[in-house]
Amino acid sequence: QSVLTQPPSVSAAPGQKVTISCSGSSSNIGIYHVSWYQQVPGTAPKLLIYDTNKRPSGIPDRFSGSKSGTSATLVITGLQTGDEADYYCGTWDRSLGAGGVFGGGTKLTVL
Amino acid sequence: QVQLVQSGAEVRKPGASVRVSCKASGYTFITYDINWVRQATGQGLEWMGWMNPNNGNTGYAEKFQDRVTFTRDTSTSTAYIELNSLTSEDTAVYYCARTYGSGSFGYWGQGTLVTVSS
Repeated sequence: QSVLTQPPSVSAAPGQKVTISCSGSSSNIGIYHVSWYQQVPGTAPKLLIYDTNKRPSGIPDRFSGSKSGTSATLVITGLQTGDEADYYCGTWDRSLGAGGVFGGGTKLTVL
Repeated sequence: QVQLVQSGAEVRKPGASVRVSCKASGYTFITYDINWVRQATGQGLEWMGWMNPNNGNTGYAEKFQDRVTFTRDTSTSTAYIELNSLTSEDTAVYYCARTYGSGSFGYWGQGTLVTVSS
């Protein structure tokens, strides 16, 4: 059971837009920045979004992140077949004994 | 460019220990925290803890508190994770990751598969 809740899967056609949600609480998303990671099976995760809405160098502006209250959202526009991967949200949690936390991951299928 | 290169796959028996290394290059090793994250086959990411390579301070996830140790060798820019009392549930790919921005994991090692089997 992950601390952050993501939908198990989402799908959309090439060229379309997809939204992936990440729900947390006042001890994590409510007070910390959110990150998003893309993971192609068999490879290490790759940072897509940091500090809730910033993109590292080399990440196209088709990827965007936002946060409202205790939920965060990753939006991918202009979907490409190469975007098919697992997506994870992550942040920190100040609950006793907590630290870094992740969502359970969302499998994106580009139809 | 920043690189984190991890040691190779390991196989251990239940009850044994394992140590995985993570050699950093392309930046000043002591400047950024190193975190460890693991992923069982077909499962999600699980954060295990962090280490400050400058002073050796560490923070462990409560789940691993009693049997994990992070160390580093600043002379070789290498971080280590040692996990004790292994069980089959510890079979996973273990990643080291360097912090980026306000606590994101911006650079990742390639992962090390640890298999625990009798």
